[in-house]
Amino acid sequence: DAGITQSPRHKVTETGTPVTLRCHQTENHRYMYWYRQDPGHGLRLIHYSYGVKDTDKGEVSDGYSVSRSKTEDFLLTLESATSSQTSVYFCASGQDYIQYFGAGTRLSVL
Amino acid sequence: GQQVMQIPQYQHVQEGEDFTTYCNSSTTLSNIQWYKQRPGGHPVFLIQLVKSGEVKKQKRLTFQFGEAKKNSSLHITATQTTDVGTYFCAGNNAGNNRKLIWGLGTSLAVNP
Repeated sequence: DAGITQSPRHKVTETGTPVTLRCHQTENHRYMYWYRQDPGHGLRLIHYSYGVKDTDKGEVSDGYSVSRSKTEDFLLTLESATSSQTSVYFCASGQDYIQYFGAGTRLSVL
Repeated sequence: GQQVMQIPQYQHVQEGEDFTTYCNSSTTLSNIQWYKQRPGGHPVFLIQLVKSGEVKKQKRLTFQFGEAKKNSSLHITATQTTDVGTYFCAGNNAGNNRKLIWGLGTSLAVNP
């Protein structure tokens, strides 16, 4: 597997608190992605990045923001977490169309 | 919007039986990829198909890309318990956009 590291792996937080998930890749890939995975919905793209400081929205971007200050790091922030954001979050990176995924972060918003 | 439909949603087989999952896109794709996600794991890239009518094999797995580049299939011959997981197809419709259009996946269960 490619060197994609997500942190934390598990997090429990309360509604209304800010949460930041981190993704770190050692592959020097240009593209990075944040997905959420929920039963019955498959993988849904939240945001993606096509270079340092270059990001764009995915299909479920409301309530989420991202930042990419270095090639290797892509942060996902939930400004004010809601229960509907309880999910498993996957980060991926890729150079062409192929994507390599991290192990995921299981987030519970109570 | 663009969609990739994947069927079946679930498949339960006896070990040794064959398995096939199908993907159909509403638009022509420039390429299609297949990923496998084991229970509790993360999606892992299996293969990419680019050419019209392309067929690729990986041991017991056979991948096909349709002539019109709108559909694809994954066939597993003689399933084993190690094949358990969810298989996703994901397509791209060309351009510089590196986003993938994901199917919802087919979950495969294998009875030993």
